[in-house]
Amino acid sequence: NAGVMQNPRHLVRRRGQEARLRCSPMKGHSHVYWYRQLPEEGLKFMVYLQKENIIDESGMPKERFSAEFPKEGPSILRIQQVVRGDSAAYFCASSPGGTGGRYEQYFGPGTRLTVT
Amino acid sequence: AQKITQTQPGMFVQEKEAVTLDCTYDTSDQSYGLFWYKQPSSGEMIFLIYQGSYDEQNATEGRYSLNFQKARKSANLVISASQLGDSAMYFCAMRPLYYGNNRLAFGKGNQVVVIP
Repeated sequence: NAGVMQNPRHLVRRRGQEARLRCSPMKGHSHVYWYRQLPEEGLKFMVYLQKENIIDESGMPKERFSAEFPKEGPSILRIQQVVRGDSAAYFCASSPGGTGGRYEQYFGPGTRLTVT
Repeated sequence: AQKITQTQPGMFVQEKEAVTLDCTYDTSDQSYGLFWYKQPSSGEMIFLIYQGSYDEQNATEGRYSLNFQKARKSANLVISASQLGDSAMYFCAMRPLYYGNNRLAFGKGNQVVVIP
């Protein structure tokens, strides 16, 4: 059973470039979440998606960040015009169900983004 | 809004001994779930154990148990018979269990080092 897959595991971008992070949920999971972890911090929620729908984006910065989960293919977190403060570990998680129940979220290995 | 507090300094534990990791939380929700995750140095987030706010029994999963004291709003993790592989950061998290909110709120973590 494949777990949550994320790629790339490490990504280096220069300031001003775009970063694209990919996440494939566990088989049978249709709910995807993105979290960001700054050094020495816990994870902070960014966005919750189902296929073709953004359910909750209350944790997303207002500018430069976007996320999608198309009908086919992985979920994508896109960061445009990256700045040094975007350097962090970005985790994707998936669950078999959404709100209203227990539904543990299972995490991928994360993408470590470094902005130079 | 939910808030998780983990304030213990880094802990050194002798192999085969038990260790308790403190977690207190604050929420106005009546129905919520509490989760513990392990993050080893390799960086992935591993789900350990779940406790529902209405569960009468404390949760147990192998060597992990959760000491849930609802009135005190605490959900401490107990790891029995520590092993070298238990060396990691441990994060407490929570989310409401009602429709429309699936955001996990994390604490800042507890560092555990198991020594032989």
